[in-house]
Amino acid sequence: DTEVTQTPKHLVMGMTNKKSLKCEQHMGHRAMYWYKQKAKKPPELMFVYSYEKLSINESVPSRFSPECPNSSLLNLHLHALQPEDSALYLCASSQGGGGVRAGGYTFGSGTRLTVV
Amino acid sequence: GEDVEQSLFLSVREGDSSVINCTYTDSSSTYLYWYKQEPGAGLQLLTYIFSNMDMKQDQRLTVLLNKKDKHLSLRIADTQTGDSAIYFCAGDSTSGTYKYIFGTGTRLKVLA
Repeated sequence: DTEVTQTPKHLVMGMTNKKSLKCEQHMGHRAMYWYKQKAKKPPELMFVYSYEKLSINESVPSRFSPECPNSSLLNLHLHALQPEDSALYLCASSQGGGGVRAGGYTFGSGTRLTVV
Repeated sequence: GEDVEQSLFLSVREGDSSVINCTYTDSSSTYLYWYKQEPGAGLQLLTYIFSNMDMKQDQRLTVLLNKKDKHLSLRIADTQTGDSAIYFCAGDSTSGTYKYIFGTGTRLKVLA
């Protein structure tokens, strides 16, 4: 299995809703990432988990809450979002937890989130 | 801060070669990458080059790196309509082990 699987593919939520995005990989990768991508822009890093521990939080608002239940799963819990949070949310993984970068990232197809 | 610039748009005819360019301000990246993003999809790693190399060829793809000019390019030979996508260059960030600096992205349109 050489894929990163993200669910759901599309999500529409109200500003008072609570929802979760899910990401799964079975490649044995020890680093997992959440990125946010607005239209026609490059991805922006949100969070990095290394060996299931939060390694980087790029000053993301607390209405976004990441969780890494085990080495294969990564969740992003959403609460009280704003319309400007509408974007494509990408999960990625990479080999090693120690920053080995030669293999690059494997990205999922993303969840397109619309906040109404 | 680190800055990576790409031209916004490139249009080529099917069968021609495409050259996508990337310029960057920070030359300390260990690896430099090219990613492809098709509409509604995630990013797919196409190829990468180690910073002490000048050139890397991988089937239809040729990566050229000019460290002196801080310039990276991706040449796609015999461009096909399936190559239409957005292409991002990326390099390691000096501010963190896990962080990339992505370029602004180039939209390639291949005309049949």
